[in-house]
Amino acid sequence: DGGITQSPKYLFRKEGQNVTLSCEQNLNHDAMYWYRQDPGQGLRLIYYSQIVNDFQKGDIAEGYSVSREKKESFPLTVTSAQKNPTAFYLCASSIGGSSTDTQYFGPGTRLTVL
Amino acid sequence: RKEVEQDPGPFNVPEGATVAFNCTYSNSASQSFFWYRQDCRKEPKLLMSVYSSGNEDGRFTAQLNRASQYISLLIRDSKLSDSATYLCVVNPLAGYSTLTFGKGTMLLVSP
Repeated sequence: DGGITQSPKYLFRKEGQNVTLSCEQNLNHDAMYWYRQDPGQGLRLIYYSQIVNDFQKGDIAEGYSVSREKKESFPLTVTSAQKNPTAFYLCASSIGGSSTDTQYFGPGTRLTVL
Repeated sequence: RKEVEQDPGPFNVPEGATVAFNCTYSNSASQSFFWYRQDCRKEPKLLMSVYSSGNEDGRFTAQLNRASQYISLLIRDSKLSDSATYLCVVNPLAGYSTLTFGKGTMLLVSP
């Protein structure tokens, strides 16, 4: 089955700890994205990557870091510098980085900071 | 003015009803428009793209009004399974896929 997988589904972290969220896709998509969703809020773009070894900051990149060493993988690290990390994190991919390309989402990771 | 605005609802309708949602966007240069559906605690899934000429997919019809900067979604013959939050999504930049999401409109279809 082709698709996007995210792991873990639920993640609990103590304050001051870094944590890495996994995102893998086997759709052969060039572009990948990370969003954050808070209750009652729209999705907000954290980082995106249109090609391997290249990525750009989105609207709320502070306190986050990413890497894109492989086409199929785009992990997100939530660092201790992120002041309010508890949220629903969604990874997406699209065939290219064009404005008309449909983005497909993974099932998400719910991060809770204790 | 917020970039993408939607009435949060909820819209409570009986099965079989017709319901319409509107969404306004602030950037007149926006290039692409989509409706996504999000079930509770799940990921968003593409419902349909919105084309300038309007488009229909079964019971769903999407319209774009560039002059007034809004898009609409019409659902006919509502089913219980249509209960979800509908996200209006706009891509404001030509050539780049950086989507702006509305907060969503919740639809509840009752028997």
